Amino acid sequence: QQQVKQSPQSLIVQKGGISIINCAYENTAFDYFPWYQQFPGKGPALLIAIRPDVSEKKEGRFTISFNKSAKQFSLHIMDSQPGDSATYFCAANSFGNEKLTFGTGTRLTIIP
Amino acid sequence: DARVTQTPRHKVTEMGQEVTMRCQPILGHNTVFWYRQTMMQGLELLAYFRNRAPLDDSGMPKDRFSAEMPDATLATLKIQPSEPRDSAVYFCASGSRDRGDEQYFGPGTRLTVT
Repeated sequence: QQQVKQSPQSLIVQKGGISIINCAYENTAFDYFPWYQQFPGKGPALLIAIRPDVSEKKEGRFTISFNKSAKQFSLHIMDSQPGDSATYFCAANSFGNEKLTFGTGTRLTIIP
Repeated sequence: DARVTQTPRHKVTEMGQEVTMRCQPILGHNTVFWYRQTMMQGLELLAYFRNRAPLDDSGMPKDRFSAEMPDATLATLKIQPSEPRDSAVYFCASGSRDRGDEQYFGPGTRLTVT
């Protein structure tokens, strides 16, 4: 019930392409869905987040798409760059509960 | 530039030794989280505090792990005795209920127990 399932485990995309990472959840009480980006040797950093009152949120080249009925959300990286190569984690929590449930991570590699 | 700081950044120790990791949360943040990251288990929440009070430590092996917040500027995670299976990267993160659910992670402590 508390799990967040993330796919794919790894992803290789050519420079300039679109990277798409998907997450699915079961707990309908979840109402906050952030994405974190982690570079090797660093801590995860909040990239972008969405709440279920909207179906999409865009910040620069990064977009979250949210499908409440399907209990799925995804991260789209447009015009992917080698500097985007990192591990991406989706996460979720519910109102009044600061604990984040993290997905298992996606290692993204952008090739020139 | 407000950020979470952690010390030490790297620690190598022998099995059976005590290990103490320290975290300074971002000034003004009232929630502090301890996570452990391994290749096999990913990111696991060990414990978290709000206003220095422990709220949940269910993810922590209590026979050897302990977490405290002696004051608002310092959180500690202690392992005694350490075991090779404790080898991992330990992250501290802080946040503020007043600013929503955002968590800001420190750079981590890479622990190796031989």
